Amino acid sequence: AQSVTQLGSHVSVSEGALVLLRCNYSSSVPPYLFWYVQYPNQGLQLLLKYTSAATLVKGINGFEAEFKKSETSFHLTKPSAHMSDAAEYFCAVSAAGSARQLTFGSGTQLTVLP
Amino acid sequence: EAGVVQSPRYKIIEKKQPVAFWCNPISGHNTLYWYRQNLGQGPELLIRYENEEAVDDSQLPKDRFSAERLKGVDSTLKIQPAELGDSAVYLCASSFSGTSPHTQYFGPGTRLLVL
Repeated sequence: AQSVTQLGSHVSVSEGALVLLRCNYSSSVPPYLFWYVQYPNQGLQLLLKYTSAATLVKGINGFEAEFKKSETSFHLTKPSAHMSDAAEYFCAVSAAGSARQLTFGSGTQLTVLP
Repeated sequence: EAGVVQSPRYKIIEKKQPVAFWCNPISGHNTLYWYRQNLGQGPELLIRYENEEAVDDSQLPKDRFSAERLKGVDSTLKIQPAELGDSAVYLCASSFSGTSPHTQYFGPGTRLLVL
């Protein structure tokens, strides 16, 4: 069984400030990990994914995430927030042996203040 | 490359009425998923197809929900009769089993409101 916990349902940052969205996972087998972004009234767009290669993963729009096995974490960061980053972000986990079964966290709504 | 297409984008119906959602996956993607996303929550899988076969429908409320994927391409999800609690966004996703880790690509969703 696998699960995801996203700490903080709402995060606010000022434009230009660091973005940090937290994700902790639980998995009995080596996981694959994903971050998706959802803009209002749209579907989910893949930001980045961890597939057991490099632990620091770079994605689109300047986002990156680091897989830390010892902490069972996969936090999403961006050095400088932009107004267009305002959206809802979802962390998801799947077991490496059954990557079709995605389990999502409850999401973090990011607000970017001018 | 065209993404996952879903229609309609919005649907308002009265309870006890039937409703159907349609999905066209990315060309070449043999795996298709239907998810339900309640307000303020992450998506939850309803059913997964590998080609024409439903291989995981354990979370599909079979008393009122049904799905089909004829010819292994397009899919339809139906609710009959709809209940107030079915109000949600219904997302379709697809992936290609020839790659790992089967990255799922999502459509824009159908937002259902049951009155």
